Amino acid sequence: NAGVTQTPKFQVLKTGQSMTLQCAQDMNHEYMSWYRQDPGMGLRLIHYSVGAGITDQGEVPNGYNVSRSTTEDFPLRLLSAAPSQTSVYFCASSYSNQAGSTDTQYFGPGTRLTVL
Amino acid sequence: KNQVEQSPQSLIILEGKNCTLQCNYTVSPFSNLRWYKQDTGRGPVSLTIMTFSENTKSNGRYTATLDADTKQSSLHITASQLSDSASYICVVSASWGYNFNKFYFGSGTKLNVKP
Repeated sequence: NAGVTQTPKFQVLKTGQSMTLQCAQDMNHEYMSWYRQDPGMGLRLIHYSVGAGITDQGEVPNGYNVSRSTTEDFPLRLLSAAPSQTSVYFCASSYSNQAGSTDTQYFGPGTRLTVL
Repeated sequence: KNQVEQSPQSLIILEGKNCTLQCNYTVSPFSNLRWYKQDTGRGPVSLTIMTFSENTKSNGRYTATLDADTKQSSLHITASQLSDSASYICVVSASWGYNFNKFYFGSGTKLNVKP
């Protein structure tokens, strides 16, 4: 198993540009999510999905879009990049995230994004 | 307000020594508590997951404890190795709306093990 993979590893954008961060998992996990990690702060949830065709917003969704057309893939789209979106982005997956679940969350290696 | 506070922010120890990292939380309703290890430039990796009824769980040289009454957890690392140098993140899960878990992340403790 490759686990959770993310591409690219690094990206530099100019303000106003758009791009897609790719995330894929090969563990047949239903639950997938996107986080951003900023210095001195805990990971913050951007968007999540409980299965193909189902997505919802996390705590910091503004400026980001997601879709889930397959179980394996969960891309994150930046619509019009802003310097405030400079961060490290992590994709994570788990078998489920039902209330009370203790399923392990597996994280990808991250994408380090800089917006100039 | 649901919060997870970790201490210390950073810690330097000598190889072979033990250390303990702290996590205090105010998350409710509590579902479970997780500790992750995050190496520099990598994603977090799960170390332990504890539910309300568990007060200790081990993973090799890592032992996590949970006191649900005082809402405190600790991660004890025994006989530290250079490879233990990383950030350690405490995550508390709440059962939100009886549908799914909502995760609250601490900002982490950065551990540096020196030879």
